[in-house]
Amino acid sequence: EAGVAQSPRYKIIEKRQSVAFWCNPISGHATLYWYQQILGQGPKLLIQFQNNGVVDDSQLPKDRFSAERLKGVDSTLKIQPAKLEDSAVYLCASSRQGKKLFFGSGTQLSVL
Amino acid sequence: ELKVEQNPLFLSMQEGKNYTIYCNYSTTSDRLYWYRQDPGKSLESLFVLLSNGAVKQEGRLMASLDTKARLSTLHITAAVHDLSATYFCAYDYAGGTSYGKLTFGQGTILTVHP
Repeated sequence: EAGVAQSPRYKIIEKRQSVAFWCNPISGHATLYWYQQILGQGPKLLIQFQNNGVVDDSQLPKDRFSAERLKGVDSTLKIQPAKLEDSAVYLCASSRQGKKLFFGSGTQLSVL
Repeated sequence: ELKVEQNPLFLSMQEGKNYTIYCNYSTTSDRLYWYRQDPGKSLESLFVLLSNGAVKQEGRLMASLDTKARLSTLHITAAVHDLSATYFCAYDYAGGTSYGKLTFGQGTILTVHP
């Protein structure tokens, strides 16, 4: 079974630029999550999708972050404009409803 | 505020020794997870604990859950170098159809040396 795919693996941008991350979940997994992991901390949930609908985006900084999952499969997370404090690893995870989460390898973002 | 506190945050062990990592959480939960993360890698699920008194074991690792004390433990038996990694506990603060919104602890960096 293929795992959760994420790209790019690394991204370096300057502050105030925009950036986008892509995630393709495990086939058949209706639920998709984006987590942010700042160096030295545990991951923090940004947004949860069930199919193509948002279940929870209460911790997403909506003034600069946006995410979509238009066809209920892959998803894109965007940051515009980026700030220094957005430097982190962005992890995508997927699951069958109510079941264990599987995490991707993440996108490491450095904002200079 | 929902909180998960792990201790210790840093653990340096000798091979062959035993030790326990503690995870306290601030609210009721009926799911508690333990994950392992190697440097530069993603999170690998180790255990899911679903009920009070649950105990699960895999190799040299054993996890337990006490929901009344809001405490989970990860016990390491006869540590080997391959166990060196960061270990996270996380609880699921929404039940029913909203499982998956995990709140993570800070992580425990485990180093095992000869």
